[in-house]
Amino acid sequence: DSGVTQTPKHLITATGQRVTLRCSPRSGDLSVYWYQQSLDQGLQFLIQYYNGEERAKGNILERFSAQQFPDLHSELNLSSLELGDSALYFCASSVEGRSNQPQHFGDGTRLSIL
Amino acid sequence: DAKTTQPTSMDCAEGRAANLPCNHSTISGNEYVYWYRQIHSQGPQYIIHGLKNNETNEMASLIITEDRKSSTLILPHATLRDTAVYYCIVSHYGQNFVFGPGTRLSVLP
Repeated sequence: DSGVTQTPKHLITATGQRVTLRCSPRSGDLSVYWYQQSLDQGLQFLIQYYNGEERAKGNILERFSAQQFPDLHSELNLSSLELGDSALYFCASSVEGRSNQPQHFGDGTRLSIL
Repeated sequence: DAKTTQPTSMDCAEGRAANLPCNHSTISGNEYVYWYRQIHSQGPQYIIHGLKNNETNEMASLIITEDRKSSTLILPHATLRDTAVYYCIVSHYGQNFVFGPGTRLSVLP
């Protein structure tokens, strides 16, 4: 158990819809990262938050957005969903935004678009 | 693109040591080497990381060459539960990991 909690575990929805994925980081971790893993793209970094502020952006689509709340949990919002958005979405957390300490990953949310 | 290259797949006999190589010839002086593994579609599991010295923990050992251009992850006594995809990542400050395709390790009975 990594200590990172993601909900829901599974999500099934239709094209054009909007969903919210939630992540609770490990106790004491200030940084949260979001990754997408699809069959054809592998694990891709989307975005990082540190103590409520956006720290870095990766390959995140404009239809996707995220935020980190004062209690340090984070949400990833996916809108105008397309079939290609079907993927595993992982959240990871680390102690700080800039240290050598590793990221610890949750078990992911499996998103299926019908 | 990933900054590392790894073999696509490897086999290892149960009970033997599994040695997984990783090439990171363009690593910069302040980048660490991190190893993770992913079993089926579970979240990547942290294994070990290091800068330039060899490291060992309860899961594995990490050997980094003196020029830091390559490293080897060693699982000393592989079990069937070690069958997974292993990822080698280099990162500055442990951020913004770029995952390559990794090495699919199959531990055979």
